[in-house]
Amino acid sequence: AQTVTQSQPEMSVQEAETVTLSCTYDTSESDYYLFWYKQPPSRQMILVIRQEAYKQQNATENRFSVNFQKAAKSFSLKISDSQLGDAAMYFCANPGGSQGNLIFGKGTKLSVKP
Amino acid sequence: DVKVTQSSRYLVKRTGEKVFLECVQDMDHENMFWYRQDPGLGLRLIYFSYDVKMKEKGDIPEGYSVSREKKERFSLILESASTNQTSMYLCASRAPFPPLHFGNGTRLTVT
Repeated sequence: AQTVTQSQPEMSVQEAETVTLSCTYDTSESDYYLFWYKQPPSRQMILVIRQEAYKQQNATENRFSVNFQKAAKSFSLKISDSQLGDAAMYFCANPGGSQGNLIFGKGTKLSVKP
Repeated sequence: DVKVTQSSRYLVKRTGEKVFLECVQDMDHENMFWYRQDPGLGLRLIYFSYDVKMKEKGDIPEGYSVSREKKERFSLILESASTNQTSMYLCASRAPFPPLHFGNGTRLTVT
């Protein structure tokens, strides 16, 4: 079965500092995408960043970057220069099953301290 | 931008009621999904649809059904609501390729 594991239920970071959220996954696919979604208190799930598994280069979106280790099936999210608005639940997701359904981890709640 | 709209932000229903959760997307996506979100459990797939009138069960379909009569609309139906269906419900849609685009969620309370 395809699984996604986020081992950190909660994390905390000081404003302006860097934090890394961990994610490991298991898939039988050879070509796939990985995603990080953010869910602030407004509840809207927002796509933060995506990584295509066939690309060796780690994806970057402004202050957000990933460390993708395909052999280890690891996909961590690094947030640089953390801002108060980064406080949210973060979910790692990997496609699983038919029709492009996403399998989500249980989430990491990130707090940002001023 | 893709817009996925869920008709209610909050719903309170009584045990045994029939409940409809509506979701509309404006991007002509073939694929639509209903997830349930509970603390500590992440998002779990209830049902998805890959075309009008087509549906497939997800991981937790028991107690739910769905309807997709038009491409833009995907409804989740609780035939007889129970207290263990109190949860956050998220609708999403997708083009042929990822990612998923989500609505704002409906927080359902069954009393």
